[in-house]
Amino acid sequence: DSGVTQTPKHLITATGQRVTLRCSPRSGDLSVYWYQQSLDQGLQFLIQYYNGEERAKGNILERFSAQQFPDLHSELNLSSLELGDSALYFCASSPSIGGVYQETQYFGPGTRLLVL
Amino acid sequence: QKEVEQDPGPLSVPEGAIVSLNCTYSNSAFQYFMWYRQYSRKGPELLMYTYSSGNKEDGRFTAQVDKSSKYISLFIRDSQPSDSATYLCAMSARGAQKLVFGQGTRLTINP
Repeated sequence: DSGVTQTPKHLITATGQRVTLRCSPRSGDLSVYWYQQSLDQGLQFLIQYYNGEERAKGNILERFSAQQFPDLHSELNLSSLELGDSALYFCASSPSIGGVYQETQYFGPGTRLLVL
Repeated sequence: QKEVEQDPGPLSVPEGAIVSLNCTYSNSAFQYFMWYRQYSRKGPELLMYTYSSGNKEDGRFTAQVDKSSKYISLFIRDSQPSDSATYLCAMSARGAQKLVFGQGTRLTINP
């Protein structure tokens, strides 16, 4: 158990719908990362937040957005869902030492999204 | 061409064998190298972390980084059926805030 929690574990929805994925980082970790894992693309970085602020963006679609709240939990919002959005979505967190976040990332169990 | 290349396998070896898993990369800015283990339908679990070049050992696992060749390896000694999983290499550059992953190698240890 990495200490990172994600809900829900599974999500089945229809095309065109909107869903919200939730993540709580490990205690004390200020950085939260979101990744998408699909069979053909592997694990792809989406976005990172540090202490409530967006710090880095990867190949995140405009239909997707995220935020980190004052209690440090994060949410990933996926809208206008398409069949191709079906994937595993992982949240990860990393520790900070002296205000500098470390490279090691600890992953949650993931949310499996199926768009029908 | 992908930044990180990893043979997806599958790789099947008998119990007790030494396993060698490898990744190559093209970005010379990568300085932080990690190996993750992922069981089916689970999140990646951090196994090994290495900064820059050199070797690191932890129990049955040894990670090697050769920055001159842009090549990293993970060795598993005395492999066990419980080691059967997908192994992902990951790396990042200083200040990059993101990990770049290989495709993962699916490993099966046969009793």
